[in-house]
Amino acid sequence: DIQVTQSPSSLSASVGDRVTITCRASQDINNFLAWFQQKPGKAPKPLIYAASSLQSGVPSKFSGSGSGTDFTLTISSLQPEDFATYYCQQYKSYPVTFGQGTRLEIK
Amino acid sequence: EVQLVDSGGGLVQPGGSLRLSCAASGFTFSDHYMDWVRQAPGKGLEWVARTRGKANRYTTEYAASVRGRFTISRDDSKNSLYLQMNSLKIEDTAVYYCARVFSSAIRYFDLWGRGTLVTVSS
Repeated sequence: DIQVTQSPSSLSASVGDRVTITCRASQDINNFLAWFQQKPGKAPKPLIYAASSLQSGVPSKFSGSGSGTDFTLTISSLQPEDFATYYCQQYKSYPVTFGQGTRLEIK
Repeated sequence: EVQLVDSGGGLVQPGGSLRLSCAASGFTFSDHYMDWVRQAPGKGLEWVARTRGKANRYTTEYAASVRGRFTISRDDSKNSLYLQMNSLKIEDTAVYYCARVFSSAIRYFDLWGRGTLVTVSS
């Protein structure tokens, strides 16, 4: 199985900050990586697919980069609604696997 | 409106069975692979199962943790996805989400249901 490791597991930031979350795959997954945002009690919301393509309707403050084994999600100009948990997901091979999540909290 | 509505969750004893359903609307259901993803209380996301469409002969994939106990199926005439869960274990307790796969080439989840809670407890 391809393991996907996110870091950090939690992150404190202030409104207006720019933050970066990292996802590392245990083997080369090309660009078969997606990012999701999840708020308490809600379903995950897709943000990024193919490592850097923005899901329709998602603001451009979210951006993704990377290829192979190392990927990043960057959120610029944090707003109160951005504080949530973020997950990466690899879909290169079965089983589909998710990172353990990064909880983004208000400082 | 494009949406997935999952249902069928509830309280079941260990060793019991439950069938989850997911009703799709607003898109051509038969064009998409469909999956189930679960989330145990306070934990991360875990992929459970996938069913491909008619073009791929409705072939399926399962996570090792549920293989042999869970069966994913679909009825394209009813725009519906199902998950038959047998021999349930306490560790199967989770919110179960149905999720649409964007395309056969870009296999990420672009649409999610709201989730249905399954609690396995005596």
